Amino acid sequence: TQLLEQSPQFLSIQEGENLTVYCNSSSVFSSLQWYRQEPGEGPVLLVTVVTGGEVKKLKRLTFQFGDARKDSSLHITAAQTGDTGLYLCAGTSPETNAGKSTFGDGTTLTVKP
Amino acid sequence: SQTIHQWPATLVQPVGSPLSLECTVEGTSNPNLYWYRQAAGRGLQLLFYSVGIGQISSEVPQNLSASRPQDRQFILSSKKLLLSDSGFYLCAWRATPALGYTFGSGTRLTVV
Repeated sequence: TQLLEQSPQFLSIQEGENLTVYCNSSSVFSSLQWYRQEPGEGPVLLVTVVTGGEVKKLKRLTFQFGDARKDSSLHITAAQTGDTGLYLCAGTSPETNAGKSTFGDGTTLTVKP
Repeated sequence: SQTIHQWPATLVQPVGSPLSLECTVEGTSNPNLYWYRQAAGRGLQLLFYSVGIGQISSEVPQNLSASRPQDRQFILSSKKLLLSDSGFYLCAWRATPALGYTFGSGTRLTVV
């Protein structure tokens, strides 16, 4: 069973600050996704990374996939209150049938005005 | 464009009652379909997935079952609910394993 560990579990910062959250595993993934979820709603896909060392930017969000495809990070620059939410990473194993993904437990981010 | 519909949004059911949650996808054919459960705003636990009509794979032994009577319809059921079945249930689809999931808006189930 592949496990994904996300850290920190909770993060509370002021608007304008920068932050990084991490997603780590001992397993290799063929692809990894990041999602943001707001209370009472389904997670929304932010990005998919597939190549070791890959960096993707989405406005103020920067996603990096580790060289060995076992870990990933999400960096937010100049956080805004609208960034508040639960950030989930999910990895898809190369051997998994139907592309089942393993989810981390998430990082709950609160951005204060 | 593809859309996914899940209902109801909230449900309060007594212990021992049956359950039926429905999920439909529009704008695509032969999607991979998934049912997840999420506890208290944490990670998602895969319950069932389906790669085609009538094909259901169960991930964890439990009090629930799933069916896929049509290509774009996925149903989560129970004959008799337990208190431990309470949670936030999410339906999702994706076209290929390399892509991320598109989730429905979820159903908050409270068993009392």
